[in-house]
Amino acid sequence: GIQVEQSPPDLILQEGANSTLRCNFSDSVNNLQWFHQNPWGQLINLFYIPSGTKQNGRLSATTVATERYSLLYISSSQTTDSGVYFCAGMDSNYQLIWGAGTKLIIKP
Amino acid sequence: ETGVTQTPRHLVMGMTNKKSLKCEQHLGHNAMYWYKQSAKKPLELMFVYSLEERVENNSVPSRFSPECPNSSHLFLHLHTLQPEDSALYLCASSQDLLSKQYFGPGTRLTVT
Repeated sequence: GIQVEQSPPDLILQEGANSTLRCNFSDSVNNLQWFHQNPWGQLINLFYIPSGTKQNGRLSATTVATERYSLLYISSSQTTDSGVYFCAGMDSNYQLIWGAGTKLIIKP
Repeated sequence: ETGVTQTPRHLVMGMTNKKSLKCEQHLGHNAMYWYKQSAKKPLELMFVYSLEERVENNSVPSRFSPECPNSSHLFLHLHTLQPEDSALYLCASSQDLLSKQYFGPGTRLTVT
């Protein structure tokens, strides 16, 4: 099956720093999505980005489908950005295949 | 996001108990999902319903039984669970099978 690799697995930054999270897929996927899970477990859908670039405030995402990767950029980090970031891509059976996540800690 | 609600938020049950998890979506979506999230593992898709019909069953043990009585509600019936079933159970919904998924807050299940 499709494998999803996220890097880095852990990231610790000072408030105000910028970061780039990466998601690689072993095979083509559709409908790539990025999620943020807060410390209480709530998953929020950040981006639905099959290809191209999207921006939402301090966050932006880029997917290069032909090269099977996606990037999530976080600028001017805030402590509320802490949590786990997941990427997930849809396979041919309409199932989202999830990465193991990047755990981000933003220190004040 | 409050478009998808789950109850209860926390559940402790013995291995011989029977309990049910409830999920309700207020977004007018046509697809609903159950996921299991265990520590140190990626999310695992358990069940998918589209227009109230089950479309996927990922080899989930029969001690987990889903029910989708209408497009707004999804249940997960639990019986004779094992300690390794302790996890966060997440419900999600989407407009259709290809669309963005929205998640509920989850039920933290502990099996003793």
